[in-house]
Amino acid sequence: QKEVEQNSGPLSVPEGAIASLNCTYSDRGSQSFFWYRQYSGKSPELIMSIYSNGDKEDGRFTAQLNKASQYVSLLIRDSQPSDSATYLCAVNRAGTASKLTFGTGTRLQVTL
Amino acid sequence: GAVVSQHPSRVICKSGTSVKIECRSLDFQATTMFWYRQFPKQSLMLMATSNEGSKATYEQGVEKDKFLINHASLTLSTLTVTSAHPEDSSFYICSAPPRTGGQPQHFGDGTRLSIL
Repeated sequence: QKEVEQNSGPLSVPEGAIASLNCTYSDRGSQSFFWYRQYSGKSPELIMSIYSNGDKEDGRFTAQLNKASQYVSLLIRDSQPSDSATYLCAVNRAGTASKLTFGTGTRLQVTL
Repeated sequence: GAVVSQHPSRVICKSGTSVKIECRSLDFQATTMFWYRQFPKQSLMLMATSNEGSKATYEQGVEKDKFLINHASLTLSTLTVTSAHPEDSSFYICSAPPRTGGQPQHFGDGTRLSIL
């Protein structure tokens, strides 16, 4: 089992729709969870961080965390073509505050 | 503006060449920096942790003699890919934790290394 799993996609949604991205992780000791957006050929850019169970909203983005199910998701409302990118889920390694384990990413395509 | 500067952004060189990549923290001191590698359509994989004033710690499977890391000062870490071969072609990214430690990390812009 991979430590951080994501569906590679591509996930295709029409402009204006809600995109839902999912991630599961294996290490129950992880406490910090992140969503990064990565455009082709660029380094990751932090979109959302979440540390406690429940929802966290920031503009069009909502992160959801369920530690019991070891599941974290990202919802993007009113999807725009500029949201087309690969979204990486990252989880801190248990016992370390700084080291991250990344999923392979989900490629999102927002169509006109 | 960028808080971590990575240089160069792109390197193309012949097989057998050694390549040095620099990672600088701007406006803050980074006693720890991380080096990642990302192959096409794959995730970022942590290669090593660069520690100022001490040896780098390498992840399992990463050859320390192949990937030399030097944390020369509180603002600079370098990664040298020694005697690079085509299979070393990848996207190399550095990051630094914030001043207070932990998260979120600041990522450099990455270096695209292509070995012919």
